[in-house]
Amino acid sequence: QSALTQPPSASGSPGQSVTISCTGTSSDVGGYNYVSWYQQHPGKAPKLMIYEVSKRPSGVPDRFSGSKSGNTASLTVSGLQAEDEADYYCSSYAGSNNLNVFGTGTKVTVL
Amino acid sequence: QVQLVQSGAEVKKPGSSVKVSCKASGGTFSSYTISWVRQAPGQGLEWMGRIIPILGIANYAQKFQGRVTITADKSTSTAYMELSSLRSEDTAVYYCARVLSSGWYYGYWGQGTLVTVSS
Repeated sequence: QSALTQPPSASGSPGQSVTISCTGTSSDVGGYNYVSWYQQHPGKAPKLMIYEVSKRPSGVPDRFSGSKSGNTASLTVSGLQAEDEADYYCSSYAGSNNLNVFGTGTKVTVL
Repeated sequence: QVQLVQSGAEVKKPGSSVKVSCKASGGTFSSYTISWVRQAPGQGLEWMGRIIPILGIANYAQKFQGRVTITADKSTSTAYMELSSLRSEDTAVYYCARVLSSGWYYGYWGQGTLVTVSS
């Protein structure tokens, strides 16, 4: 099972928006609404930011939003803040054989 | 408040095995799936497998089939991940993670355990 494909990096100035893509196949991203997104700061454990494509856990700012079209999911961070600078990973259910797969990760830089 | 506390760092020889623990507090341990995810230095996240404690059923990523064993002790609310036939490429931080409520998204993570494989 291959990792989901994300761009290595993305950037934006404070207050701007940045969108990260996550491309899979019909066997994972495209086949189920079980896409989630995680934020990871250096040396820390990942933090759940979005689940089931577009839902936010309690405590996650509404600046973070998720969507999906076909085999590609996206995470948008609006109103960028300095603390949003981190690595972001998507994840998807991948069916009964491999169950769960993560993306390659995207480093977001706030300029 | 759910907390997952993992065992400490390990240094292992190639060919040996390592067993990492993950003790849960807060919430009902048996009712929620726990997965293990690893991250090699400077690399991304990699899902290894999961266990449903109430059923005692574990599932593994194909890559790790035959080399990883995930178990859970309901009496101590502790999950374990044992990886055998270690090689240098297994050097990584290993995380346990609990689903938020159900499904395939992890709302609670352990602090991570660094396993170093070196001769």
